[in-house]
Amino acid sequence: QSALTQPPSASGSPGQSVTISCTGTSSDVGGYKYVSWYQQFPGKAPKLMIYEVTKRPSGVPDRFSGSKSGNTASLTVSGLQAEDEADYYCSSYAGNNNLVFGGGTKLTVL
Amino acid sequence: EVQLVESGGDLVQPGGSLRLSCAASGFTFNNYAMSWVRQTPGKGLEWLSAISDNSATIYYADSVRGRFFISRDNSKSTLYLQMNSLRVDDTAVYFCARGYVSLGRFDYWGQGTLVTVSS
Repeated sequence: QSALTQPPSASGSPGQSVTISCTGTSSDVGGYKYVSWYQQFPGKAPKLMIYEVTKRPSGVPDRFSGSKSGNTASLTVSGLQAEDEADYYCSSYAGNNNLVFGGGTKLTVL
Repeated sequence: EVQLVESGGDLVQPGGSLRLSCAASGFTFNNYAMSWVRQTPGKGLEWLSAISDNSATIYYADSVRGRFFISRDNSKSTLYLQMNSLRVDDTAVYFCARGYVSLGRFDYWGQGTLVTVSS
């Protein structure tokens, strides 16, 4: 069982917005601003999409945005495109030089 | 272009050992902390270990502390993971990743190498 809880699946139609949640505790998500989100295609390496809750690395479309409220972080994909269909993982610093991940969410573009 | 290429994955019997390597290129390796992360179908991604740029500080997840050992050779731009006393549940794809655990992010990952522990 993963340390952070994500829904196993999410879906949306092209052009719509979809939000994926990532629930932890006050010892990880709620306690630090160091939440990241990764996109992963089958057989490929994860790609950093969001870091420090809301920041986007260079090259990541602004359709991807992050937020946090209490112990729950969220990734929102706006203007959904077929190429966004992938697995998404959250992670959070958990103190004591430890990092935890979510179990992943499979995003399907209908 | 930043590249991380893992190697060393194999089929090994329970109780055995294996050493993974991660060859880095396209950036100044000795300026960055590095980590190992593994992925299993059932448990998703799991951070295992991190090492600072100069090897002065090393961290491990509880699940591998005392069995796995991280190291690096900056002269060869290579990261290592020595895995001992392997168990069936260590079966996974192992990734190396560039970044800082304390900042909670890894900005580049390798493609992974498969380790299968089975008799």
